[in-house]
Amino acid sequence: GESVGLHLPTLSVQEGDNSIINCAYSNSASDYFIWYKQESGKGPQFIIDIRSNMDKRQGQRVTVLLNKTVKHLSLQIAATQPGDSAVYFCAENQGWGANSKLTFGKGITLSVRP
Amino acid sequence: EAGVVQSPRYKIIEKKQPVAFWCNPISGHNTLYWYLQNLGQGPELLIRYENEEAVDDSQLPKDRFSAERLKGVDSTLKIQPAELGDSAVYLCASSLGKMNTEAFFGQGTRLTVV
Repeated sequence: GESVGLHLPTLSVQEGDNSIINCAYSNSASDYFIWYKQESGKGPQFIIDIRSNMDKRQGQRVTVLLNKTVKHLSLQIAATQPGDSAVYFCAENQGWGANSKLTFGKGITLSVRP
Repeated sequence: EAGVVQSPRYKIIEKKQPVAFWCNPISGHNTLYWYLQNLGQGPELLIRYENEEAVDDSQLPKDRFSAERLKGVDSTLKIQPAELGDSAVYLCASSLGKMNTEAFFGQGTRLTVV
């Protein structure tokens, strides 16, 4: 079946460096993508989203890139801070409203070295 | 404003025992979701409510799992009897509208079945 997955299980970066977290998806019908951050003992928290008609979207210190040709999604975090340490999930959505279906990928742990 | 509140935060039970989780969604949120999250994995939808109606329970193992949202506000998820493989985090989320991409998550209940 089609699925969402992440390339790497863990990522360790130096504080102040930029982080790039990658995600591969396989469902070409997905029209909306979200990155979530999950800190230990907490539920997933929305970071940034992007629609399938876009290829880049920027937030505060975060940028999401979407490459539909290769079904690839990435999250870039600028000037990574200790507070960015968490597990990150990409999720893909198909459908709209009551028929919307959100599928999460496997998590990748981001560890920030001081 | 309070977020999604879940209780208990942790629960340890012996296999074959029953267990129940409670969720109080964000005030005014009509849509409520229960997710199952295994370690290192993304959340997987168990059931979705629109007010008091379960509109998607296709992933709920109905032989042992049940849920209710009698007045369209709080919800309870029950497992009876629990099995070792049910050990996981059970997340509740809610959204104002019908898009699950707009959902806010609670902190979850970590269940350990021994």
